[in-house]
Amino acid sequence: KQEVTQIPAALSVPEGENLVLNCSFTDSAIYNLQWFRQDPGKGLTSLLLIQSSQREQTSGRLNASLDKSSGRSTLYIAASQPGDSATYLCALLSNTDKLIFGTGTRLQVFP
Amino acid sequence: NAGVTQTPKFRILKIGQSMTLQCTQDMNHNYMYWYRQDPGMGLKLIYYSVGAGITDKGEVPNGYNVSRSTTEDFPLRLELAAPSQTSVYFCASSNQGQGEAFFGQGTRLTVV
Repeated sequence: KQEVTQIPAALSVPEGENLVLNCSFTDSAIYNLQWFRQDPGKGLTSLLLIQSSQREQTSGRLNASLDKSSGRSTLYIAASQPGDSATYLCALLSNTDKLIFGTGTRLQVFP
Repeated sequence: NAGVTQTPKFRILKIGQSMTLQCTQDMNHNYMYWYRQDPGMGLKLIYYSVGAGITDKGEVPNGYNVSRSTTEDFPLRLELAAPSQTSVYFCASSNQGQGEAFFGQGTRLTVV
């Protein structure tokens, strides 16, 4: 059974810091991995999608990497801002067609 | 460009009542998913579908049913509502299982 874990569960940092959020999975048989952002009481916003054949994707201050052999993905946030405060979720599409979510990292960036 | 549309946005049910949560997508995606999210928790997969006429159970299917008669629609039915089904429900779709997944805005359900 695929298990997806995100560490840390919560993170509080001052504005301007560079951050690394981690996502670990137990089965490397995946099609892709996607990172989402969720604001309190809101839906999910897609941030980055990495196909299984890719190593990383970048969008603005965000960079996501994927290492299938070690079962890890990281989301790097450069120069964090208070507007980055949200819960960040990784989700992977397994080879059984299930889209499985991680446990989430709650991020707070204070001024 | 509507994307994934869920109705209703909010609903209060009494124990034992039934209801259908609607989900429609206009992107011609063949993969669709239903999730529930309890307060402070991650998303748990209830049911999913890889195409019209095909559905399969996820992690927490008990108490729910789905159907997929068309590519666009993937309704989720609760037959006998229980307080344990109080949650926020999200529907999602993606293209051929390898594309980006898009989510609806959610349905907040309370069972009293």
